[in-house]
Amino acid sequence: NAGVTQTPKFRVLKTGQSMTLLCAQDMNHEYMYWYRQDPGMGLRLIHYSVGEGTTAKGEVPDGYNVSRLKKQNFLLGLESAAPSQTSVYFCASSYLGLAGAGDTQYFGPGTRLTVL
Amino acid sequence: AQKITQTQPGMFVQEKEAVTLDCTYDTSDQSYGLFWYKQPSSGEMIFLIYQGSYDEQNATEGRYSLNFQKARKSANLVISASQLGDSAMYFCAMREPPMYSGGGADGLTFGKGTHLIIQP
Repeated sequence: NAGVTQTPKFRVLKTGQSMTLLCAQDMNHEYMYWYRQDPGMGLRLIHYSVGEGTTAKGEVPDGYNVSRLKKQNFLLGLESAAPSQTSVYFCASSYLGLAGAGDTQYFGPGTRLTVL
Repeated sequence: AQKITQTQPGMFVQEKEAVTLDCTYDTSDQSYGLFWYKQPSSGEMIFLIYQGSYDEQNATEGRYSLNFQKARKSANLVISASQLGDSAMYFCAMREPPMYSGGGADGLTFGKGTHLIIQP
């Protein structure tokens, strides 16, 4: 039981290049999320998914696209990377995301991305 | 206005002392959840404790407890008998389920964190 895994762990891109970050979870969770963490700040929500085939925008979605073709995978794409996208990216998942609000999110180890 | 405010950017505490990390939140929803996460220097986000807005008792998980004062919109984390391994960044976060808040993005809203250093 690996929990939430992220690929790759580190990546360096040049401005304008594209890449895809992969998140996988083996907990049969419905909800998946992508966050970014910048120095001196907490995590900010980029996009999320409430189930296979669905995606929705979070707080800072511009410049990113996502896809959830399989329940266990959530992909984050950068079509044309910019230096402002230099950040640590975290994926998370939760069981149902319903009310009670107590649907704990479990995080992957993070991907450190640098855009030159 | 910030939804989650953590007023202590950094704290130094002697080993074995109790620690209180402050968190205040802003919401007009009746149903919401409050979470604390620990981020050690290795970078992963570790879930510590959860408090629901309707929970009447303060949440506890081992050495962690959450001092929930709903009227003051305060959700402070208390760590009893601190250990060297408690040195880390600590983040307070809130979830406001869209089905109760009338829409908006789902997910957690995080504070900027408190850097806790435990000294021997």
